[in-house]
Amino acid sequence: DTEVTQTPKHLVMGMTNKKSLKCEQHMGHRVMYWYKQKAKKPPELMFVYSYEKLSINESVPSRFSPECPNSSLLNLHLHALQPEDSALYLCASSQVWTSGAQGEQFFGPGTRLTVL
Amino acid sequence: AQSVTQLDSQVPVFEEAPVELRCNYSSSVSVYLFWYVQYPNQGLQLLLKYLSGSTLVKGINGFEAEFNKSQTSFHLRKPSVHISDTAEYFCAVSEPSGGYNKLIFGAGTRLAVHP
Repeated sequence: DTEVTQTPKHLVMGMTNKKSLKCEQHMGHRVMYWYKQKAKKPPELMFVYSYEKLSINESVPSRFSPECPNSSLLNLHLHALQPEDSALYLCASSQVWTSGAQGEQFFGPGTRLTVL
Repeated sequence: AQSVTQLDSQVPVFEEAPVELRCNYSSSVSVYLFWYVQYPNQGLQLLLKYLSGSTLVKGINGFEAEFNKSQTSFHLRKPSVHISDTAEYFCAVSEPSGGYNKLIFGAGTRLAVHP
């Protein structure tokens, strides 16, 4: 299984709503990533989890709250978002990077988020 | 800090013609380079990667890329494109750190294949 799955595929929410995005992989990868991608732009890294611990937070506003409950799952909790947060949210996973295993990132299909 | 420049934002080409998508990087250390493709409304799919060894790298869907250290380039090529190759292509360089692989993406090149 070389697939990263993301749910939901589409999400529309108001600025006062609370919602969550979910990402799952069963490749045994211990590093998982959240990216935000605006239209016609490259993905921007938001968070990195390594061995279920938060390793990187790229100065993301606190209205985005990541969670890694186990090695296969990654969630992104959303609260009080702004319209400018509308984007494609991509999850990715990879092996731990070592001198003997430079694993590439496997991406999910993304969640298209619209904030009204 | 590393950076990636994709010199063409859009490349129009006719079906069955050859294509080259250009990518230059800046790095003072060993580099690991990747090309990803993104079809409309989808995630990113790895086309090919250069980690070490042979400078000519072959990937999926008939694509290949050549790593040129002296010119700090990693251009993507395909000898004959299909309509189905229409997509956004991203070149990326990695910054391995603390066991994870931070990707630095270029701005992307939109390949439009016309019949």
